[in-house]
Amino acid sequence: ETGVTQSPTHLIKTRGQQVTLRCSSQSGHNTVSWYQQALGQGPQFIFQYYREEENGRGNFPPRFSGLQFPNYSSELNVNALELDDSALYLCASSLLGRGTNTGELFFGEGSRLTVL
Amino acid sequence: DQQVKQNSPSLSVQEGRISILNCDYTNSMFDYFLWYKKYPAEGPTFLISISSIKDKNEDGRFTVFLNKSAKHLSLHIVPSQPGDSAVYFCAASKGGANNLFFGTGTRLTVIP
Repeated sequence: ETGVTQSPTHLIKTRGQQVTLRCSSQSGHNTVSWYQQALGQGPQFIFQYYREEENGRGNFPPRFSGLQFPNYSSELNVNALELDDSALYLCASSLLGRGTNTGELFFGEGSRLTVL
Repeated sequence: DQQVKQNSPSLSVQEGRISILNCDYTNSMFDYFLWYKKYPAEGPTFLISISSIKDKNEDGRFTVFLNKSAKHLSLHIVPSQPGDSAVYFCAASKGGANNLFFGTGTRLTVIP
């Protein structure tokens, strides 16, 4: 069974640039969620993708966008980067459907983004 | 607006003793609660959960207690082991959705 993998693990960008983060979900999972974890904080929900469509969104501006592909992998795109976007970005996969455990997510190691 | 709160940023416990990690929430619509454990340079891993229809759930050394009237839950680890040293996050969800609201975490150190 392949776990959740994310790339890149670390990256540095400057303010105003754009970034794309990638995630491969755990095999057998059909849903991908993205979370932002700022320093000293808990993860905050950005959005979730199910069957290639956005299936819920947290309190993040439209410059945060995403994609889910037919193989259930996903991308998180952030445009016009701001200093406050510096954080650990976590991808989590899960299986939505009958009999699945509500709320149990499987997380990747995260992509640490630094915006200068 | 922090809907899930962990007011103790850190906790130190001797090996073999009980660790008690606390969590409070404000949203009465939350109906499912989870604990995640996070080691450095790794993503959070699911530890244990509890539905709002229960007040206790046990899994080996880990027990979660839920007090709905107080909007409080706690995680008990007994006996504590050095390998339990990690950051523990409390999380909650509502209405069958699986977007989670996390607390800020408690760093547990188990001293050998």
